[in-house]
Amino acid sequence: GDSVTQMEGPVTLSEEAFLTINCTYTATGYPSLFWYVQYPGEGLQLLLKATKADDKGSNKGFEATYRKETTSFHLEKGSVQVSDSAVYFCALSVPDSSYKLIFGSGTRLLVRP
Amino acid sequence: SAVISQKPSRDICQRGTSLTIQCQVDSQVTMMFWYRQQPGQSLTLIATANQGSEATYESGFVIDKFPISRPNLTFSTLTVSNMSPEDSSIYLCSVAGGPIEQYFGPGTRLTVT
Repeated sequence: GDSVTQMEGPVTLSEEAFLTINCTYTATGYPSLFWYVQYPGEGLQLLLKATKADDKGSNKGFEATYRKETTSFHLEKGSVQVSDSAVYFCALSVPDSSYKLIFGSGTRLLVRP
Repeated sequence: SAVISQKPSRDICQRGTSLTIQCQVDSQVTMMFWYRQQPGQSLTLIATANQGSEATYESGFVIDKFPISRPNLTFSTLTVSNMSPEDSSIYLCSVAGGPIEQYFGPGTRLTVT
């Protein structure tokens, strides 16, 4: 079945460090891919998305490129801030009109001053 | 994006009782979803709620335990029935917005003692 695999956390970085959170997927058909972020005590916010191969989603300095050949959608940011500390979820949606999302396990990011 | 509110934001309940969670959206939406996020875990879809039809439950979730109402296009409720400590989780509603993405409410943090 369809699934999403994320790197385990926590990921601890110093402010202004480079961030990569790995995400790979298994899916039938051509899924859309998402990164959601959950700040402490809050719900999920859509961070970025990509709908087809080689699409690059970007928002708030974060980027992820839909790589069909490696079935990956790694999240990157060039310079993290303390305010980026949160849990990041990779997810996929299979285009069967159900909008159903399949989430990865989440990766906690802690950025230290 | 839609603005979603949930009530209550948190609650502490005794085992054997039931809690009804409300989800209100600021615009009319066709598809609403209910998720469970167990402590330190990812999100699991409980059911999809479309207005005017019975909710569609995912494997492992049944209507007797998680009855859902969807009386109109801006509102839904999820009831957690006959609660046990294993039901302690964050419950989130979401709506289908745009062509593919979902937007999430802030969640209801439930503790069952």
